[in-house]
Amino acid sequence: QKEVEQNSGPLSVPEGAIASLNCTYSDRGSQSFFWYRQYSGKSPELIMFIYSNGDKEDGRFTAQLNKASQYVSLLIRDSQPSDSATYLCVPRGSGGGADGLTFGKGTHLIIQP
Amino acid sequence: GAGVSQTPSNKVTEKGKYVELRCDPISGHTALYWYRQSLGQGPEFLIYFQGTGAADDSGLPNDRFFAVRPEGSVSTLKIQRTERGDSAVYLCASSLTVGGSSDTQYFGPGTRLTVL
Repeated sequence: QKEVEQNSGPLSVPEGAIASLNCTYSDRGSQSFFWYRQYSGKSPELIMFIYSNGDKEDGRFTAQLNKASQYVSLLIRDSQPSDSATYLCVPRGSGGGADGLTFGKGTHLIIQP
Repeated sequence: GAGVSQTPSNKVTEKGKYVELRCDPISGHTALYWYRQSLGQGPEFLIYFQGTGAADDSGLPNDRFFAVRPEGSVSTLKIQRTERGDSAVYLCASSLTVGGSSDTQYFGPGTRLTVL
């Protein structure tokens, strides 16, 4: 079963700083990952998808994937209080995405004004 | 366009009763997924449909849970003889295709089920 490990937090970061969210995985068959954001009381919302080694940037968000080290991260630049949420690192299914996603508890991020 | 919708948004029932939760996926999405999320936990996969058929129901916790998607669009999750432990938020997601670059799952707002 595809699983990831994330520090559940809370991770507290001052406003304007870079928030760094980390995720390690054990299944070398995992080739790509989603990052979902979930606000309290709301449903998960996709913010990034990464499948290649290296960095992928989208606005203030940068996802990083290192397959050799089995490590995925999400950086949030110029963090805002509105970024306070739980961030979920999710491996894409083995059947090219046909599987149901396996979620962990995620990392609870708090941006302090 | 419209996203995934779920009804009702909240459902309160008594132990032992039967409930139905409805999901209306994004128009044209062929794959539909049900998840359950308990407080403080990540979503837990229940079942996935490709078209009308359940392609993977390995996450259903027991035979009290059943889901259908008769016309390949709207899906209903059915729970018989509800128990207090069934209380959770039930999330539905849909994706355009299975596999490839269009399999991103988009989630609905969820139905909060409370079993008294």
